[in-house]
This record gives sequence, C-alpha cells and structure tokens, in this order.
Amino acid sequence: TQLLEQSPQFLSIQEGENLTVYCNSSSVFSSLQWYRQEPGEGPVLLVTVVTGGEVKKLKRLTFQFGDARKDSSLHITAAQPGDTGLYLCAGEEAGTALIFGKGTTLSVSS
Amino acid sequence: GAVVSQHPSWVICKSGTSVKIECRSLDFQATTMFWYRQFPKQSLMLMATSNEGSKATYEQGVEKDKFLINHASLTLSTLTVTSAHPEDSSFYICSARDRTSYYEQYFGPGTRLTVT
Repeated sequence: TQLLEQSPQFLSIQEGENLTVYCNSSSVFSSLQWYRQEPGEGPVLLVTVVTGGEVKKLKRLTFQFGDARKDSSLHITAAQPGDTGLYLCAGEEAGTALIFGKGTTLSVSS
Repeated sequence: GAVVSQHPSWVICKSGTSVKIECRSLDFQATTMFWYRQFPKQSLMLMATSNEGSKATYEQGVEKDKFLINHASLTLSTLTVTSAHPEDSSFYICSARDRTSYYEQYFGPGTRLTVT
C-alpha cells in the first residue's frame, strides 16, 4: 500500500511570511497532484507534476517534484489571508485512484 | 471546463433509510469515477472506484452491500447509502477522470450526509 506523508499538519502564520509544505513517500508515483480545499467544498486541483525534478509555478505558489518521483513540495511566497485552506497532496500510479496525504491546514492571519 | 457536479449538496435522513448521491461530469466523459469519504478536518479516504459498465471496486473495509455504486453512463455515477446509520454521517466526494486525460481527476463539490 502506497502512503503519502504530508507535513506539517497544521500551520498558522502571519500575512507576508513564506511557507513550505512537504509530501513524502517511499513509493514512486507516476504523477503527483496538489489540491486546495475550502470547508464544505470539494478539492480544487492546483497543479499536476509528472516529471522527476519538475518545477511549476502558479503565481506565488511553487511546486516541485523530487527527482525520484517520491516526494514533492509546495512553497508559498508572501502568504495572504486568501491562501487559508486545506492543502492536499495526492499521488497516483497511472490509471489508479489517487492516494491522498493527510493534508495541511493553513491559516494566514492579517 | 472539467466540471463535476454532485446532487444533493446536503441531505438529512433518518436511520434505516437509504440515500442516493449523484455524481455527474458536465462537460467531459468519464470512464472512471471515484468515491471518497471525508471526516471533519481529515483527508479524503477512497471508498471505491467506479468504471462505466462494470462493477465497482471497493477498498478494504468498505461494505459493498451498504454502499451501492452504479456507473450507468460515461457522465453519471451514483452512490446509494443503504440502511443508513448515524456513523455514516460524513462528507462524500466524487471525482471523475476525463477519458482523454492520463492523470488528472476533477472533484465534485461534495455531499454532506447527516443521519439522525
């Protein structure tokens, strides 16, 4: 069974600070996805990374896939209150269901 | 594009009754849909994988006779919670894979089920 360890589980920071969320596994994934979820809503896809070493940027968010395709990170620069939410990483072997990490609850206060 | 809808968005039912939740891909065809369950402040737990025209594959520990899944078309999958109990109260979320996309799945907005 593939497992994804996500850390930290909770993060409370001030507006303007930077943060990094980590997602690690002992297994290799064909792709890894990051989602953001608001309370009472479904997860919204932020990015999909496929190639080992790949780096993708989405405004203030930077996503990286490890060279061995076992780990990933999400870095947010100059966090804003609107970034508050549950961030989920999910790994997938091609054609199978996503394996989710436990999530990181981010709270950004002004 | 890539919109997935769920109906109803929330439902309250009495113990012993059955509840059906619909998951639709609105602008794409989905050969595979997935059903997840999420408890408060926790991550998503996969319940079953639903393939169009075939029986669903259930994860270990999920009762297939209690959680009936039907994937009748390329745009619709349904989850029926039979003989619901208060412990079935949860947030149920479906996702759908676009048949033209190798990796990406798109999630519905979820259905909040409360069993009294």
